[in-house]
Parts: sequence; structure tokens; C-alpha cells
Amino acid sequence: SAVISQKPSRDICQRGTSLTIQCQVDSQVTMMFWYRQQPGQSLTLIATANQGSEATYESGFVIDKFPISRPNLTFSTLTVSNMSPEDSSIYLCSAFSNTEAFFGQGTRLTVV
Amino acid sequence: KQEVTQIPAALSVPEGENLVLNCSFTDSAIYNLQWFRQDPGKGLTSLLLIQSSQREQTSGRLNASLDKSSGRSTLYIAASQPGDSATYLCAARDSNYQLIWGAGTKLIIKP
Repeated sequence: SAVISQKPSRDICQRGTSLTIQCQVDSQVTMMFWYRQQPGQSLTLIATANQGSEATYESGFVIDKFPISRPNLTFSTLTVSNMSPEDSSIYLCSAFSNTEAFFGQGTRLTVV
Repeated sequence: KQEVTQIPAALSVPEGENLVLNCSFTDSAIYNLQWFRQDPGKGLTSLLLIQSSQREQTSGRLNASLDKSSGRSTLYIAASQPGDSATYLCAARDSNYQLIWGAGTKLIIKP
């Protein structure tokens, strides 16, 4: 199994500002994934982060809005830029360990 | 394109009852299927993982089954407790190693 530490667990931010979310995995993983979960909805994949290359973004998500870093095989960050109230969601990072998906504790973001 | 559906969307039962949550998928070519639990405002906790070659997995009071031919998985919870109250999500991993998510079943166990 894998343990993923995600922080912050929650934040309230002013519109127009940016927030960086960090995820640390207790083992080396090839791919890390970032998801958004809007209120009452299921998970939507934002992007896949590979070490040493640019993240792969899903349709509807762009690098300027959600820049991702993946400096090594155990760490990744997601930045939510120029936030608006529509960005209020839970953001989750994930990784696979032996084909099983594991998740961080989530970041509950409220934009006011 | 793979689609995953969970029924019911919400379920409320008295404590002590056994219950079944359903997950169906349209494409039987899955790599595996995983059940998760999510508490309000929190991340996801992996409950059970069933590989495509397996029929079921058990962990404590939880049992998950997989029938690829009919495109169905069930999560059986025995002797339910108020602490089981949460949203339960299933996700099918496809041949491209992407997780395809159901919308979840919100479970409330009444004391």
C-alpha cells in the first residue's frame, strides 16, 4: 500500500489569488494524478503528472490555470491560479501502488 | 466508452442490517475494479480491489464481488454500524489505466 500526505487539508482564499497544494507519497511512484470533486459530484481527473516531463491535462483543464510540478518520484504540487468562486471544490491527489489506487486526504478549497 | 453507474444514489437503513451497493459498467474489458469510501469533505479510502481475474474480495464485514460478463460489481456490508455512514464510490480501471468513476452511493446508517 501507499500513504499519501496532502496539505493543506482546507483553505479559504480570496478570489484572484493562487493556492498551491502539496502531495507527498511514502514510496516512489511513476504517475501521480490530480482530481477535482465539485460539491455533490464524483471525481473529475484534472491531469496526470509524470516525473521529468510536463503534465498531461484532461479536456477542459489548462496548464495556465492548474500548473503542476513533479520534481521527483515521491512529490507533486498542484496550483489553482487566479481563483474564482467556481474553483471551490475538493482537490485530491492519487497514485497507484501495485495496481491499487490510493488517495491523499483531500484539500477543501473555498473561494470567497 | 466506459461508463460506470451506481445504484442507489442514496440509501438509509437501520443499524444492524446487511446491505448491498451496486456498481455496473458498460465495457467488460476492465483491468480491475476498486471500491472506496469517502467521508464528507475528506479524501478517499480504498476498501477493496478486485482484479479482472478475481470473483470476489473480502475485508472484515465487507465483501465485494465482480461479474465481468454481466458488467456488475456489488459491495456487501454485513451488520451495518453508524460508523459505516459515508459515500461509497466504485471505479473501474480501463485498459488505458484510467479510473472511470461512478457517482457514488450515499449511505446513512440510523442508530
